[in-house]
Amino acid sequence: GAVVSQHPSWVICKSGTSVKIECRSLDFQATTMFWYRQFPKQSLMLMATSNEGSKATYEQGVEKDKFLINHASLTLSTLTVTSAHPEDSSFYICSAPRDSLLQYFGPGTRLLVL
Amino acid sequence: RKEVEQDPGPFNVPEGATVAFNCTYSNSASQSFFWYRQDCRKEPKLLMSVYSSGNEDGRFTAQLNRASQYISLLIRDSKLSDSATYLCVVNRRNNDMRFGAGTRLTVKP
Repeated sequence: GAVVSQHPSWVICKSGTSVKIECRSLDFQATTMFWYRQFPKQSLMLMATSNEGSKATYEQGVEKDKFLINHASLTLSTLTVTSAHPEDSSFYICSAPRDSLLQYFGPGTRLLVL
Repeated sequence: RKEVEQDPGPFNVPEGATVAFNCTYSNSASQSFFWYRQDCRKEPKLLMSVYSSGNEDGRFTAQLNRASQYISLLIRDSKLSDSATYLCVVNRRNNDMRFGAGTRLTVKP
């Protein structure tokens, strides 16, 4: 069964609105979670590392004020796309390490900004 | 140059064929290596880890050559259900994973 969940699975919103995506580890605790973005026919690109109880670490080129990450508990990380625009339309996926090196991915969230 | 590079594909093969995918990585400090499978519009799922000694899981065989910084995946007796995109994944450290662009495989009847 799934070990990492994401919600919502689909989002369609108007340009300028903010969208929050949740990532939950279902039967284990994750002090670290990862957020990725995947554009059509491209690979997953790491956006940021979410750290429980501290600030997220963002990859180069990812705007931290645009993509707000909160890791408030050991089972939940949220990604908020603020003032979303059409170019933010993408497939957002989170992952969490359950064992020492294995990553489990959430089912992803498809965001379409009109 | 990308940190993880793969054959771009697509690979179109008949059922029963043997197909091999290659992957190279540039960071010599990389610690662990994986092949993931991603179906269209789905999240990646772990196919297998890759060890220096080589490892096999049914019809799938993975090899790692640390000296050449090269990873391979061999699929024997391809099935229609093997059609997917195969991602080469390198773990640098502390679960910092880098993905290849993926190789698309289509197995045809």
